[in-house]
Formats: sequence, C-alpha cells, structure tokens
Amino acid sequence: DIQMTQSPSSLSASVGDRVTITCRASQSIDSYLNWYQQKPGKAPKLLIYAASSLESGVPSRFSGSGSGTYFTLTISSLQPEDFASYYCQQTYSKVAYTFGQGTKLEFK
Amino acid sequence: QITLKESGPTLVRPTQTLTLTCTFSGFSLSGNGVTVGWIRQPPGKALEWLTHIYGNDNKFYNIALKSRLTITKDTSKNQVVLTMTNMDPMDTGTYYCAHLDSSKWYSYDYWGQGTLVTVSS
Repeated sequence: DIQMTQSPSSLSASVGDRVTITCRASQSIDSYLNWYQQKPGKAPKLLIYAASSLESGVPSRFSGSGSGTYFTLTISSLQPEDFASYYCQQTYSKVAYTFGQGTKLEFK
Repeated sequence: QITLKESGPTLVRPTQTLTLTCTFSGFSLSGNGVTVGWIRQPPGKALEWLTHIYGNDNKFYNIALKSRLTITKDTSKNQVVLTMTNMDPMDTGTYYCAHLDSSKWYSYDYWGQGTLVTVSS
C-alpha cells in the first residue's frame, strides 16, 4: 500500500495567517492527490483534486501544489471558517485509496 | 444534484455482521466512470478508505479488511450495500459513502452525512 504522511499533525494559527500543510507519499503518485476539509461532526469536503485543481465553489485562498511524492496545501489568509481538520488522499493506486492521518488547524 | 445517505444499525454486537446501505440520487451507477465508495472514521481519528464499486461492477477493497468486506450495488434501487463481518469494538466509528468522480482524478466529490456505528456488547 502507498502510505501518506501529513505534517504537522496539528497547527495553531490566527485569522489572516498564511498556513501550509504538507503531505508526502511513500512512492510516486504523479498528481493523484486530493485534499479534503472536515469540520467537527460533518462529512469531509473536497477542496483540491489532481494536486492543484480547485473544486468548484472553494475559495481561491486555498491552493495546492506538488507532484510525485511531495504535496502542499496552502491557505493564503486564514478565515474563521477555515479552522478544521485537513486530509490528503492518494488515488494513484486504484486498488487502495489511502488517506493521510490528518492535520488539525486550531485557533491560536 | 447528487445526494447520498447512509442507513443501517447504530449498535452492533461483537462478532456480528454489519450491513449498511447507501441510497443515492442524481446519478446512475451503471457507467464505467461512476463509482461509489465507503470510508470510515473512528472517533477522533483519521479517515480510512474501505472499498469502492464501479458501475461495471469492478470492486476494490482495503487489503487489511478485504476478508471481512463485501460491496454490492443495486442499480435499479440506486443503492450500494456494504457488509462487514465479525465486527469488533475497534470498528466503532462513522461510516460514510461517497461519490467518486473519475474526471476529478478519482476524488470523492459528494459525501453522505455519515452514520455512527457502535460495536459493543
């Protein structure tokens, strides 16, 4: 199985901050990397697919980059509604779509 | 508009079999590019991909759970059913079904609200 490792596991930040979350794959996954946001008690929401494509309706302050084994999710200017958990997911291996362990973004 | 909703028992005894149903609308699970998957999340923990099924009936399973999982579809009812045998308290968590879009690099673009399953005697 392809392992996905996110860092950090938690992050404290303030409104207006620029934050970056990283996700590393145990082997190359091309650009088959998606990012999800999850708020407490809610289902995950797709933010970014194909490493850098913004899902429809997602604010442009969210951006993704990377390919191969290293990927980042950046929020350019944190808004109050952005405090949530974030997960990366690889879909390169069609037999197993693994998620990262998540990053919890908390208010400083 | 695509919607999905999970249904099934909220409490399962250890060793029993869990059966969850995902009822969806807004698409048909009959084409090659359409897929529905199941993902679970133990309380306070990360998402775990379980399985998904394509419209052509191809199925893929989490290798660690493969012996316990079965996914089937009923195209006429717009439903996907997940069964998991030999349930254990470690299987407690929220189970989600989700629509996978192959044109979005196989991302899950629509999710059900999730259903919490507790495994306890």
